[in-house]
Amino acid sequence: ELKVEQNPLFLSMQEGKNYTIYCNYSTTSDRLYWYRQDPGKSLESLFVLLSNGAVKQEGRLMASLDTKARLSTLHITAAVHDLSATYFCAVDVPSGGSNYKLTFGKGTLLTVNP
Amino acid sequence: EAQVTQNPRYLITVTGKKLTVTCSQNMNHEYMSWYRQDPGLGLRQIYYSMNVEVTDKGDVPEGYKVSRKEKRNFPLILESPSPNQTSLYFCASSRQGAGMWSQPQHFGDGTRLSIL
Repeated sequence: ELKVEQNPLFLSMQEGKNYTIYCNYSTTSDRLYWYRQDPGKSLESLFVLLSNGAVKQEGRLMASLDTKARLSTLHITAAVHDLSATYFCAVDVPSGGSNYKLTFGKGTLLTVNP
Repeated sequence: EAQVTQNPRYLITVTGKKLTVTCSQNMNHEYMSWYRQDPGLGLRQIYYSMNVEVTDKGDVPEGYKVSRKEKRNFPLILESPSPNQTSLYFCASSRQGAGMWSQPQHFGDGTRLSIL
């Protein structure tokens, strides 16, 4: 059974600081997604990482994927309050034929304080 | 506008009273899925569908049914709801494909179910 573990689960940081959220998974996959969820809202896609070494950046967020280490990171640069949200990683693995199954981590609740 | 629409958004009901949560997408996506979100557990997949008339169990299918008679619709059915099915439910869809054609899932706004 695939396990997807995020660390930390709770992160409180000051504006202007940098930090990294980690996503480890237990089986081979080269398809990983990062989502953001604001309180009471739906999930919004942030990044799609489809190969070893993939790096994507959007504003103050940068995501990377190391398929050999089964690790993805979401790096936050110079945090601002608007980044406060819950961040989920999700891993896609084959489930037979051309089917894929998406498994989510438990999420990292990020709070950026002034 | 591309979207996934769930109804109802909120529902309070009683144990044993059958209910259906509808999900519809207008993006002609092949893949659709239902998740439940519970505090401390993240999102767990209930059922998914690769295309019309093709469905499969996710991680927590017990107590739920689905059907996929049309490409755009994927209703979630609780035949005899119980309090442990009180949760926030999300429907999602995506264009499914391997490798470079992988697309992220688009999520609906969620349905908050309370089973008393």
